[in-house]
Amino acid sequence: AQRVTQPEKLLSVFKGAPVELKCNYSYSGSPELFWYVQYSRQRLQLLLRHISRESIKGFTADLNKGETSFHLKKPFAQEEDSAMYYCALSGMNRDDKIIFGKGTRLHILP
Amino acid sequence: EPEVTQTPSHQVTQMGQEVILRCVPISNHLYFYWYRQILGQKVEFLVSFYNNEISEKSEIFDDQFSVERPDGSNFTLKIRSTKLEDSAMYFCASKGSGTGELFFGEGSRLTVL
Repeated sequence: AQRVTQPEKLLSVFKGAPVELKCNYSYSGSPELFWYVQYSRQRLQLLLRHISRESIKGFTADLNKGETSFHLKKPFAQEEDSAMYYCALSGMNRDDKIIFGKGTRLHILP
Repeated sequence: EPEVTQTPSHQVTQMGQEVILRCVPISNHLYFYWYRQILGQKVEFLVSFYNNEISEKSEIFDDQFSVERPDGSNFTLKIRSTKLEDSAMYFCASKGSGTGELFFGEGSRLTVL
């Protein structure tokens, strides 16, 4: 079964502290993994994807196939990082749907 | 920058009424999706649409739901007879042929009374 698990509903972190948002997945095959972000009153938007191996807004995520994880990390949190973060996966076919985890609300404390 | 647009942003309807939610995907995109998010819950896949037909649908997408791309630009979701549990935020999304990135609209909030 395809499943994305984000164990934390809410994560509060002080400004300047490291951030790690956890994501584990279940998929038979080789999925593509994503992190989407939704800032207050804005649309869902792609933050990063594992195949591009980019760092966006200081965030990185490494796909660990052994642990079936794709945790999102940032070394120093900023106040503007406060948002809802969704881990998601998709199959490799072009028309495959993306399925989302339940999301983690990241709250950066001043 | 091109973006997915959705109308209406909020619709209130009585139970049993028909509702049509409209979406204009990004113009050169080929794959279209509807998702919904009930308040406090996760974003759930409803249906995907490619080459003028449904390519996949979830168990949520029962006979009360239908999608259409009537004129090559709009992509609509129709709920034939709304139920209280249809109250949710409905997101339209589209994807081009190259990358796997889904572009989302801002959502249409449906409230069924």
